[in-house]
Amino acid sequence: GAVVSQHPSWVICKSGTSVKIECRSLDFQATTMFWYRQFPKQSLMLMATSNEGSKATYEQGVEKDKFLINHASLTLSTLTVTSAHPEDSSFYICSATVLPGNTIYFGEGSWLTVV
Amino acid sequence: GQSLEQPSEVTAVEGAIVQINCTYQTSGFYGLSWYQQHDGGAPTFLSYNALDGLEETGRFSSFLSRSDSYGYLLLQELQMKDSASYFCAVEEDSSYKLIFGSGTRLLVRP
Repeated sequence: GAVVSQHPSWVICKSGTSVKIECRSLDFQATTMFWYRQFPKQSLMLMATSNEGSKATYEQGVEKDKFLINHASLTLSTLTVTSAHPEDSSFYICSATVLPGNTIYFGEGSWLTVV
Repeated sequence: GQSLEQPSEVTAVEGAIVQINCTYQTSGFYGLSWYQQHDGGAPTFLSYNALDGLEETGRFSSFLSRSDSYGYLLLQELQMKDSASYFCAVEEDSSYKLIFGSGTRLLVRP
């Protein structure tokens, strides 16, 4: 079964609105989670590192005020796309690592369509 | 800068063996992973190499040569369900943050 769960799987929102995507670690605590974005037929690009209890670390070129990340508990990180535009339409995926060990697990992903 | 190069597309027949190469150029290196992704789905972990050599996991094997900044994924006894995209990914340090390659689309034909 899944060890990292994302919700929602699909979301359609109107341009200018905000949408929140949740990433949960199941049966384990994740002090660090990662958010990736994948446009159709392209690779996964790291957006940010979500740190429990502290500010997220954003990759170069990712607007922190547009992609708000909150990691308020050891099992939940949220990504909020604010003032969404059609170009934000993409597949958003989170990941977390089960310790001990070094296997990185991905959530099921969330398809965002902005109309 | 960072770059991970993979062939864009590979075609093979059912039952055959296919090798997907990955060459990387990153500021640091901690390990190389391989992921499978079917259309519309999330990546699934296949294999991981931190040290030089071959790692075998069932029909999948992965090889790493750190001196050559090169690795490959070997898929044996190909099945139709193996048709998917395959990504190599580098961890530059111990943070579990991944830099993904461009991806290789594998098409398995009967």
